Amino acid sequence: KAGVTQTPRYLIKTRGQQVTLSCSPISGHRSVSWYQQTPGQGLQFLFEYFSETQRNKGNFPGRFSGRQFSNSRSEMNVSTLELGDSALYLCASSGQVSTDTQYFGPGTRLTVL
Amino acid sequence: GENVEQHPSTLSVQEGDSAVIKCTYSDSASNYFPWYKQELGKGPQLIIDIRSNVGEKKDQRIAVTLNKTAKHFSLHITETQPEDSAVYFCAASKGDTGRRALTFGSGTRLQVQP
Repeated sequence: KAGVTQTPRYLIKTRGQQVTLSCSPISGHRSVSWYQQTPGQGLQFLFEYFSETQRNKGNFPGRFSGRQFSNSRSEMNVSTLELGDSALYLCASSGQVSTDTQYFGPGTRLTVL
Repeated sequence: GENVEQHPSTLSVQEGDSAVIKCTYSDSASNYFPWYKQELGKGPQLIIDIRSNVGEKKDQRIAVTLNKTAKHFSLHITETQPEDSAVYFCAASKGDTGRRALTFGSGTRLQVQP
């Protein structure tokens, strides 16, 4: 069974631009969560989607948004990029049987210049 | 909100020795406690998890213990091998849909010396 895939793997943007990251969950999984990982703040929860609805949101500004499609694929968007948005963005999917177990993808490394 | 503290931040052991990493959590409503291993350039990989209705779980060389009263859980790795070298994260969540957000500890860098 294929794991969680994230595209692109690496991205370089400049301040003020916007970016969209994509996540395809494990086949059959309906829940997708996003996390930001930085050396200073560690791993922090961004949001959780289930059946195309945002079910939970972390403590991030409104510049961070996301959505989920009917095939469970998810995208997250960051607008008006700041230097501090440079991070590894991780997507995790959860299935139906063990609904709390989250499996992570390899992440997208975003660098903001 | 939930707060998870993890110790130690770095741990160096000789190959074959045991390694223990400890975490404490603050929210008594948390009921799911996974451990992840992260290697350089990769996403976190789930290595073991435990739910609040269980006190201990073992999978080959890896075991996790949970003390709900003390809000404390630990990862035990026996017979360590060089390939166990990585950063390990503990986490806590309330488990169900809409409350699945994981709160992570700050990580432990484990180095196994051959």
